[in-house]
Amino acid sequence: DSGVTQTPKHLITATGQRVTLRCSPRSGDLSVYWYQQSLDQGLQFLIQYYNGEERAKGNILERFSAQQFPDLHSELNLSSLELGDSALYFCASSARDRANSPLHFGNGTRLTVT
Amino acid sequence: DAKTTQPNSMESNEEEPVHLPCNHSTISGTDYIHWYRQLPSQGPEYVIHGLTSNVNNRMASLAIAEDRKSSTLILHRATLRDAAVYYCILRDVDTGNQFYFGTGTSLTVIP
Repeated sequence: DSGVTQTPKHLITATGQRVTLRCSPRSGDLSVYWYQQSLDQGLQFLIQYYNGEERAKGNILERFSAQQFPDLHSELNLSSLELGDSALYFCASSARDRANSPLHFGNGTRLTVT
Repeated sequence: DAKTTQPNSMESNEEEPVHLPCNHSTISGTDYIHWYRQLPSQGPEYVIHGLTSNVNNRMASLAIAEDRKSSTLILHRATLRDAAVYYCILRDVDTGNQFYFGTGTSLTVIP
């Protein structure tokens, strides 16, 4: 158990809809990362927050947004969903925003868009 | 971000050592070498990391070449539970919090 909790585990929704994925980092971890993993793309970095502030952006679509709250949990909002957004979405956390700080991943939210 | 190159797949017999190679010829002096693995239907799991010296922990050993252009993850006795995709990643203090994953090495353990 990594200590990172993601909810829900599974989500099925229709095209055009909006969903929110939630992540609770390990106790004491200040940094949260979001990744998308689809069959043909591998793990794609989306965005990182550190202590409530956005620190880095990767290949995140404009239809997607995220935030980290004062209690350090994070939410990833996906809107105007398309079939191609179906994927596993992983959250990871690390204690510090440093290169030698390991990432700890949750078990993901599987999103299916129909 | 500095790139890493890993074989797409490897096989190992159960209870034998496994050496998973990673090339990172463009590594910078401040890049840390991280290894993660992903078991089927799970999130990636941290394995080990290092900067210059070899590292050991309960899961594995990391051997880093003297010029740091390559590294090897060593599983001392492969078990069926070690079957996973192994990712070698470089993380740079200056450029990087993005933590980009490549395609990794898919390890098959043969009973």
